[in-house]
Amino acid sequence: DAGVIQSPRHEVTEMGQEVTLRCKPISGHNSLFWYRQTMMRGLELLIYFNNNVPIDDSGMPEDRFSAKMPNASFSTLKIQPSEPRDSAVYFCASSLGDGEAFFGQGTRLTVV
Amino acid sequence: AQSVSQHNHHVILSEAASLELGCNYSYGGTVNLFWYVQYPGQHLQLLLKYFSGDPLVKGIKGFEAEFIKSKFSFNLRKPSVQWSDTAEYFCASKRGNNRLAFGKGNQVVVIP
Repeated sequence: DAGVIQSPRHEVTEMGQEVTLRCKPISGHNSLFWYRQTMMRGLELLIYFNNNVPIDDSGMPEDRFSAKMPNASFSTLKIQPSEPRDSAVYFCASSLGDGEAFFGQGTRLTVV
Repeated sequence: AQSVSQHNHHVILSEAASLELGCNYSYGGTVNLFWYVQYPGQHLQLLLKYFSGDPLVKGIKGFEAEFIKSKFSFNLRKPSVQWSDTAEYFCASKRGNNRLAFGKGNQVVVIP
C-alpha cells in the first residue's frame, strides 16, 4: 500500500478563497483523522471519522471548516472562506481499531 | 476524557548524551500506547508501540519505552543520542473505542 495520500502537498491561496484538501486513507482502515499543526498551537485534532461517519468534530475551529467522507477511500477538508490564520500544515491519518495511526505527508497551506 | 501529558517541552542535549522523555496518561485499564517522531519538515512516524506483554518495548533507531502501569507512565529513552535524533516526539494513547489522544510533544535538539 502507498500509505495515506494527501493532495495537494502545498497550497497558496488568497484570503477569502475556498480551499479543499484531499485525503486517501490506507485501504481497509476504518478510522480517519484530520489534524492541523502550527508552531503556536502544536498538533490539533480537527475531526475524526469512524466507518465514514463523523464521530468527533469538536476540534473544528469554526463554521468555515467542514469535512466529508463520502466513502471509505476518500475524505476532504474544506475551508471557505480561508483566512491568513488558517495557514498551517494539515495532516490526514488513518488507522484500524488498535489505534496505530498512519500519517500522510501533509498539506502545507499558506493563506495570503 | 482521556489525556496525555508530556513534560519538558523543549530539550537540548549534546550528542552521546542520554535522553528520557516523560509521558503520563490519565486513566487506568487497558490502554494502547504509542510514541511518534516527527523529523523537521516531515510527517509523524511511529517509533514504537505497546499493546500488552513485556512492558519494556524496543523501537526503531535504538529507542525504547517502558510501560509502568502503577505510574500511568510510558517514558521514552535512548542511551546515546545522535544529531539525527533532532525531532519532535509525541506520546499518544488509545483506550477502547475512544480516539487516539496525543500529548503536546517534546521538541528535542541534539547539538553535534
